[in-house]
Amino acid sequence: AQSVTQPDTHITVSEGASLELRCNYSYGATPYLFWYVQSPGQGLQLLLKYFSGDTLVQGIKGFEAEFKRSQSSFNLRKPSVHWSDAAEYFCAVGAPGYSTLTFGKGTMLLVSP
Amino acid sequence: DSGVTQTPKHLITATGQRVTLRCSPRSGDLSVYWYQQSLDQGLQFLIQYYNGEERAKGNILERFSAQQFPDLHSELNLSSLELGDSALYFCASSDGQGTNQPQHFGDGTRLSIL
Repeated sequence: AQSVTQPDTHITVSEGASLELRCNYSYGATPYLFWYVQSPGQGLQLLLKYFSGDTLVQGIKGFEAEFKRSQSSFNLRKPSVHWSDAAEYFCAVGAPGYSTLTFGKGTMLLVSP
Repeated sequence: DSGVTQTPKHLITATGQRVTLRCSPRSGDLSVYWYQQSLDQGLQFLIQYYNGEERAKGNILERFSAQQFPDLHSELNLSSLELGDSALYFCASSDGQGTNQPQHFGDGTRLSIL
């Protein structure tokens, strides 16, 4: 079975600074990887996904993520954070032939002025 | 707007009671997923339906049941409610049944057990 670890429960970043949220997965082959964002009182919104091919994927809202097979990681990045990015971010992994995703515990992003 | 509609948005009830949560998937989506989100457990997958049939089961209690109707909307039934069932319940939908199909989430139903 696959698993996901998001090592940071909370991260505080100054507005305008760069951001990197970490995600490590456990799976024997190349999984399907996702990042979702959850704003207060709302459901999860898909930011980006990786299935195969180019290991750097672009998503919505200026986010990107890089798949690194050697490190079993799929870290989310943004070059300049805006106050509206404050939310909780979830990494998720799926496997070919399976129908369910496994979500990490989430990382809460706080943006300071 | 994800196109997934969940009702009600909030539900307050007492221990021992039974409630039904409803989900309308995005137009054209055949799969419906139910999740429970709590502070201590995080986002837990409960159950998946695809075109009316159960496809996968996760950490769903025996007191909970779900179904997907011919019009593809789904209901999650929670019975003999306990204080620990207080959580945010999400429905998500996708157009296929594999994990290469991105899931689109509703805004959730917040269930509070008093």
